[in-house]
Amino acid sequence: NAGVTQTPKFQVLKTGQSMTLQCAQDMNHEYMSWYRQDPGMGLRLIHYSVGAGITDQGEVPNGYNVSRSTTEDFPLRLLSAAPSQTSVYFCASSPLAGRSTDTQYFGPGTRLTVL
Amino acid sequence: AQKITQTQPGMFVQEKEAVTLDCTYDTSDQSYGLFWYKQPSSGEMIFLIYQGSYDEQNATEGRYSLNFQKARKSTNLVISASQLGDSAMYFCAMIFAYSGAGSYQLTFGKGTKLSVIP
Repeated sequence: NAGVTQTPKFQVLKTGQSMTLQCAQDMNHEYMSWYRQDPGMGLRLIHYSVGAGITDQGEVPNGYNVSRSTTEDFPLRLLSAAPSQTSVYFCASSPLAGRSTDTQYFGPGTRLTVL
Repeated sequence: AQKITQTQPGMFVQEKEAVTLDCTYDTSDQSYGLFWYKQPSSGEMIFLIYQGSYDEQNATEGRYSLNFQKARKSTNLVISASQLGDSAMYFCAMIFAYSGAGSYQLTFGKGTKLSVIP
């Protein structure tokens, strides 16, 4: 099993460009989520999904869109990149809909720089 | 609102000694889960150990154990017999019920950077 995979690993964008960060998991997990990690801030939840067709906002959703058309994939879209979105992005998944006992497993991360 | 606090930005420990990393949390929920993750310099997030709010025993996983004090709302990570490979950032996190969608969210502390000295 590959676990949680993310592509690309690194990306540089210019202000105003759009792009999609890809996330896929092969563990048949219901729950998937996106976090951003900034220096000294820990990880903050952007969006999450409890199953195909169901998404919701987390703590810092502005500037990002998500969709979940399949159980396996949960892409994160930046519609118009801004320098404030320079960060490391992590995708995570857990078996069921985020019960308090479910461990979340993380992908390797995408380092995004917006110039 | 739920909050996780890690008061130690950085810690040093001698190789082969034990170290305790502090974590306190604030929640009004009765049911929640507490997690510790390790982030080495390579950047990946590695799950270490989990404690449920109703667990009566402190969790242990190899050299990792938790000192869970529910009344004080603290869950400190103890690493025994530190190794050079333990040098990393350590994050405490809590999962709690998010009423908006009936699901749960994971909230992280800001982390503690542990350095193991040979």
